[in-house]
Amino acid sequence: EAGVAQSPRYKIIEKRQSVAFWCNPISGHATLYWYQQILGQGPKLLIQFQNNGVVDDSQLPKDRFSAERLKGVDSTLKIQPAKLEDSAVYLCASSLEVTGAWGEQYFGPGTRLTVT
Amino acid sequence: TQLLEQSPQFLSIQEGENLTVYCNSSSVFSSLQWYRQEPGEGPVLLVTVVTGGEVKKLKRLTFQFGDARKDSSLHITAAQPGDTGLYLCAGPLITGNQFYFGTGTSLTVIP
Repeated sequence: EAGVAQSPRYKIIEKRQSVAFWCNPISGHATLYWYQQILGQGPKLLIQFQNNGVVDDSQLPKDRFSAERLKGVDSTLKIQPAKLEDSAVYLCASSLEVTGAWGEQYFGPGTRLTVT
Repeated sequence: TQLLEQSPQFLSIQEGENLTVYCNSSSVFSSLQWYRQEPGEGPVLLVTVVTGGEVKKLKRLTFQFGDARKDSSLHITAAQPGDTGLYLCAGPLITGNQFYFGTGTSLTVIP
C-alpha cells in the first residue's frame, strides 16, 4: 500500500514570496491533516479536513496560509506571503477514521521550507 | 500552544541502558499516542493508550497512561542504537476536537 506522498521535499524562497505544498493521502483515508514542525519542536496542527470539508483550522494563520482539499483526496497548503518564521517542515498526515475517533495517523516525509 | 511537555528534551545513553521519557500536561486527554520520528521522515505511531492507568508493552518498550489521563511515560529497557530518534507524545483533549503533540524527546543510543 502506498504511503502519504508529499512534494516538493525541499523548498527555499525569499520572504514575501509565495509557496505551495501538495499532499496525496493514502487511498480511502477520510481525514487529512497539515502540521507545521519547527526545528526542535513537536508538530503543530494547522488544519484538519474530513473528506473535502474543514473540521478545524483554529491554528491556521489565515492572513497568509490557505489550504484546500478538492474532491476529498489531494490537498494543497499555500503560504502567501511567506515570513522568516514560516521556516519549518510541513507534514501531511491521513487517517482512516472520521472525526471524533482518533486513530493512527500516517505521515508523509514532509516538505522542508526555508525562508531567507 | 503545546499543552504536552516532555522531559527530558535530550537524552544520550549507552547501548544496554534503560531510560524513561515523561509526557505531562495540566489538561485531561481522551487518549495518548506515542510516535517515533527519524530524521527526514514523518512520525510513526508506536502505541495508543486509552484508559487511565493503562499499561502497554511493546517488546522492550513499556507505555503507561496516568490515572488522571494528564500524563504518560515511555520506558525503554536495554536500549539499542535502532531506538535512536525523536519520541513524541500526542493526543486529543477530552473537551475538544484539537490534537496536540508534545515538545519531543530526542534520544541517541551510542553503540
